[in-house]
Amino acid sequence: EVQLVESGGALIQPGESLRLSCAASGFNFKNYAMTWVRQAPGKGLEWVAAITGSGSSTYYADSVKGRFTISRDNSKNTQFLQMRSLRAEDTALYYCAKDYYDSSGYSWMVDSWGQGTFVTVS
Amino acid sequence: QSALTQPASVSGSPGQSITISCTGTSTDIGTYNYVSWYQQHPGRAPKLIISDVSNRPSGISYRFSGSKSGYTASLTISELQPEDEADYYCGSYSSSSTLAFGGGTKLTVL
Repeated sequence: EVQLVESGGALIQPGESLRLSCAASGFNFKNYAMTWVRQAPGKGLEWVAAITGSGSSTYYADSVKGRFTISRDNSKNTQFLQMRSLRAEDTALYYCAKDYYDSSGYSWMVDSWGQGTFVTVS
Repeated sequence: QSALTQPASVSGSPGQSITISCTGTSTDIGTYNYVSWYQQHPGRAPKLIISDVSNRPSGISYRFSGSKSGYTASLTISELQPEDEADYYCGSYSSSSTLAFGGGTKLTVL
């Protein structure tokens, strides 16, 4: 069974930094691209960033480009989201999600989600 | 403002069928078949219900189907059941190498 467990969410002040982690299990982690998606309270889904299985390619939403960095450690089955210069509009529940297909690329579809970790910037 | 446009709400009675539309542009839905649909119940993580425009992942009910025409993708739910009441989101690859989501549609089962 696929399990994704996010951690690292916190209440922080504008301009500060925070690193989120996502521990994965139940699948061959290095074979799958991984994604971060966020959801502000009462709002819809917003794709944040993605990284291919090898870590060689990364993708970012315009709203976080230059401030957030996605990375992964395949030896520890964990992905990360380093967030800098945080703003009030970054306040959201951050979900870690697994790519749908086992491939060297990114399918732009996600099939397994964690329960999320909440980031409040205030 | 979401890149993909969905109706804010739809409703239907048990046993009926409903369709949720998701309108994009030539830079996403109009060109690519990386279209997906997600179901989200209150307080729960989203769940993939349609991939690649019209494919159902393993374990997803036959009552869920997807299609695409031009710049618009559609999700149809047939034989509506009370447990289908949820928020539904479409997603699509965009040529700017991003994943766009629709704003979400709240389905009410009357």
